[in-house]
Amino acid sequence: VLTQSPGTLSLSPGERATLSCRASQSINNNYLTWYQQKPGQAPRLLMYGTSKRATGIPDRFSGSGSGTDFTLTISRLEPEDFAVYYCQQYDNSLYAFGQGTKLEIK
Amino acid sequence: QVQLVESGGGVVQPGRSLRLSCAASGFIFSNYDMHWVRQAPGEGLEWVAVVSPSGDARSYADSVRGRFSIFRDNSENTVYLQMNSLKTEDTAVFYCAKQRARFDAFDFWGQGTLVAVSS
Repeated sequence: VLTQSPGTLSLSPGERATLSCRASQSINNNYLTWYQQKPGQAPRLLMYGTSKRATGIPDRFSGSGSGTDFTLTISRLEPEDFAVYYCQQYDNSLYAFGQGTKLEIK
Repeated sequence: QVQLVESGGGVVQPGRSLRLSCAASGFIFSNYDMHWVRQAPGEGLEWVAVVSPSGDARSYADSVRGRFSIFRDNSENTVYLQMNSLKTEDTAVFYCAKQRARFDAFDFWGQGTLVAVSS
């Protein structure tokens, strides 16, 4: 089980965002992934292997963590970053998503 | 470029069946695990099922095991989701997704197809 916090994060453009994802058991091999989803769109891959940016993802996005605690950081928020973010793990032939963090404009 | 195009969604009564399709292009389809992920209205993402590149290995979420079946046709570059005994709680947008590598992230997603289970 993956638990994301906070459920909603209200920030202004230019601020720093820190999103948390906590696993109920240690994640092997750091197979922790982050996706971004905007209204009416399919999810988009952001980060894989905990800290690797997907193709085309700007370097203001970074991922970190190990074991059970993982973080997605957006260093300086741009207007297009306001969306819902999901973490995901692989464990024992099953793939689980966190419940999501909504990043909204303050 | 990679494209995944889902089809087959619609309105269906509880207890009935529906088959979703996902046509893939732009990559060597037979080399990759393929998944179905769903999203109920206003809710988060829920992983549904995965099929191995050859089609001989499959895994399912507990919520659909025994009712849904994932399979693929590598000659047609298509992955399917056969959904039987549908329940109202299966109402969702269903996405197919390509896996980047074994046990890794989903790097490409389709646009989704809506399944509405209602009497």
